[in-house]
Amino acid sequence: NAGVTQTPKFRVLKTGQSMTLLCAQDMNHEYMYWYRQDPGMGLRLIHYSVGEGTTAKGEVPDGYNVSRLKKQNFLLGLESAAPSQTSVYFCASSYPGDPSYEQYFGPGTRLTVT
Amino acid sequence: GENVEQHPSTLSVQEGDSAVIKCTYSDSASNYFPWYKQELGKRPQLIIDIRSNVGEKKDQRIAVTLNKTAKHFSLHITETQPEDSAVYFCAASMRGNTPLVFGKGTRLSVIA
Repeated sequence: NAGVTQTPKFRVLKTGQSMTLLCAQDMNHEYMYWYRQDPGMGLRLIHYSVGEGTTAKGEVPDGYNVSRLKKQNFLLGLESAAPSQTSVYFCASSYPGDPSYEQYFGPGTRLTVT
Repeated sequence: GENVEQHPSTLSVQEGDSAVIKCTYSDSASNYFPWYKQELGKRPQLIIDIRSNVGEKKDQRIAVTLNKTAKHFSLHITETQPEDSAVYFCAASMRGNTPLVFGKGTRLSVIA
């Protein structure tokens, strides 16, 4: 049981390049989330999904797109990377019901845009 | 939407002392309040949570209190140890089926 995994762990992009971050979970969770973490800003929600084939915007969605074609995977895309997107990206998943609402986080992806 | 304020942003305590971190929230409909701990370079992990029908919850050295009238909740760590050094995040949501809104975090340093 791997939990939540993220690929890649590190990436350096040049401004204008594109990339996709992959999140996978093997806990059969319905809900999945993408956050970015910047110093002093906490965890800010980018996009989330409440089930296969669904996506919704979070607090900071601009510049990102997502897809949830399979229940276990949640992809985050950057079409044209900007230096402001330099951050640590965390994926999380949860089962939206009792007894626990715990969100399980992946190990993170450190992205630098130069 | 929900807004969560967390204080202080940094906290230093001597080993063995207690630490208290406070959060306020804006949406009276929120009724689920978790606390996450993030060690340096690691992922956030849930350490304790509380729901609105409970005023206090305790798990060994950590406890969380909730005041729904005042819309604030607090994390209490007693007998702090060096391994408690980390960043702590509070969060709020309406049950588990709406996304969490996180505070900006508190960096706790326990000095041996």
